[in-house]
Amino acid sequence: EAGVAQSPRYKIIEKRQSVAFWCNPISGHATLYWYQQILGQGPKLLIQFQNNGVVDDSQLPKDRFSAERLKGVDSTLKIQPAKLEDSAVYLCASSLQGQETQYFGPGTRLLVL
Amino acid sequence: AQSVTQPDIHITVSEGASLELRCNYSYGATPYLFWYVQSPGQGLQLLLKYFSGDTLVQGIKGFEAEFKRSQSSFNLRKPSVHWSDAAEYFCAVGARSSTLGRLYFGRGTQLTVWP
Repeated sequence: EAGVAQSPRYKIIEKRQSVAFWCNPISGHATLYWYQQILGQGPKLLIQFQNNGVVDDSQLPKDRFSAERLKGVDSTLKIQPAKLEDSAVYLCASSLQGQETQYFGPGTRLLVL
Repeated sequence: AQSVTQPDIHITVSEGASLELRCNYSYGATPYLFWYVQSPGQGLQLLLKYFSGDTLVQGIKGFEAEFKRSQSSFNLRKPSVHWSDAAEYFCAVGARSSTLGRLYFGRGTQLTVWP
């Protein structure tokens, strides 16, 4: 069974530029999560989708971050404009609907200069 | 407020020695508890989880963890560490909810294994 796929794996941009990350969850997983992991910290939830609807985006900085999950499968997370403090690893995870175990992708490492 | 504390930022052990990584949590209700491992440049891999029942849970790679409700702890153990266990370990707590799946993570414990 294929795991959670993410791309790109690495991205370097300058502040005020925009960037987008893509995630493809495990087949059949209705729930999708985006986490931000800053160096030296544990992951922090940004947004949770159930199919193509948002369940929890309370920690998403909505003035610059946006996410969508069209058709309830793939998801894209966008940052516009990026700030230095957005440098982090962005992890995507998925789970079966109603199941607590989340499966994580390899992450996208973002460096904002 | 929900939180997870991993008091040890970095632990060094010799190969073959026993290991215990500490995790304490604060949660408003009975939580689900997880341990994940992260190797450099990789995502998080689930080691084990506790939902209910037997408080001693077995996981992959020879790891186990014990849930102690009275101490709000979920410590991870391994009787004999292998060099390949060197990685960062994260404890996480989640809600018993059918919709809200947010996990709260500790800051992680970096494990170094000496040969």
